[in-house]
Amino acid sequence: GQNIDQPTEMTATEGAIVQINCTYQTSGFNGLFWYQQHAGEAPTFLSYNVLDGLEEKGRFSSFLSRSKGYSYLLLKELQMKDSASYLCAVLDSNYQLIWGAGTKLIIKP
Amino acid sequence: DGGITQSPKYLFRKEGQNVTLSCEQNLNHDAMYWYRQDPGQGLRLIYYSQIVNDFQKGDIAEGYSVSREKKESFPLTVTSAQKNPTAFYLCATTGGDVPEQYFGPGTRLTVT
Repeated sequence: GQNIDQPTEMTATEGAIVQINCTYQTSGFNGLFWYQQHAGEAPTFLSYNVLDGLEEKGRFSSFLSRSKGYSYLLLKELQMKDSASYLCAVLDSNYQLIWGAGTKLIIKP
Repeated sequence: DGGITQSPKYLFRKEGQNVTLSCEQNLNHDAMYWYRQDPGQGLRLIYYSQIVNDFQKGDIAEGYSVSREKKESFPLTVTSAQKNPTAFYLCATTGGDVPEQYFGPGTRLTVT
């Protein structure tokens, strides 16, 4: 079966750095996405990785290792507004998105 | 302004009634999707459509129906056969050169 694993919840301090991990086992791979979802709202796109390595976009970076079935989202200089759920999703061989359950990130002052 | 609209934002229905959720887009995207999200869970695919007049079942299609008569519109009907219809419903599209899905604001359906 297809499976994506992320930690259920993480807590970090304002101004700090946090890394949210995602491991996946899917039938085929055509890219990995990270989305941010605030409570009660729709997910918004953060990043897309299809090749191994690190993609940096402002305070957010995303890393992919296809051989290990592993990705992480790195958030720097955390702000209170970063409190949200972070969803990892993989595009499988049929170009369907397989979603993880999401990681709820709690930022403390 | 291009985007995806879903209405209404909140919807309340009595058990045994069918209800239709709307999804409209003016992004000129070919593919449209319906997801369901329950608390603490990821998104689960209900139906998707790659082209007008064609759609495919997702992982949890039972108790739902869709139509795609126009490129811009992909309404979802939650029928009385759906055992646990209370959930957050999200519509999404993809198209063009970018692979990511764009989401509408969602409809929170409560059935009592």
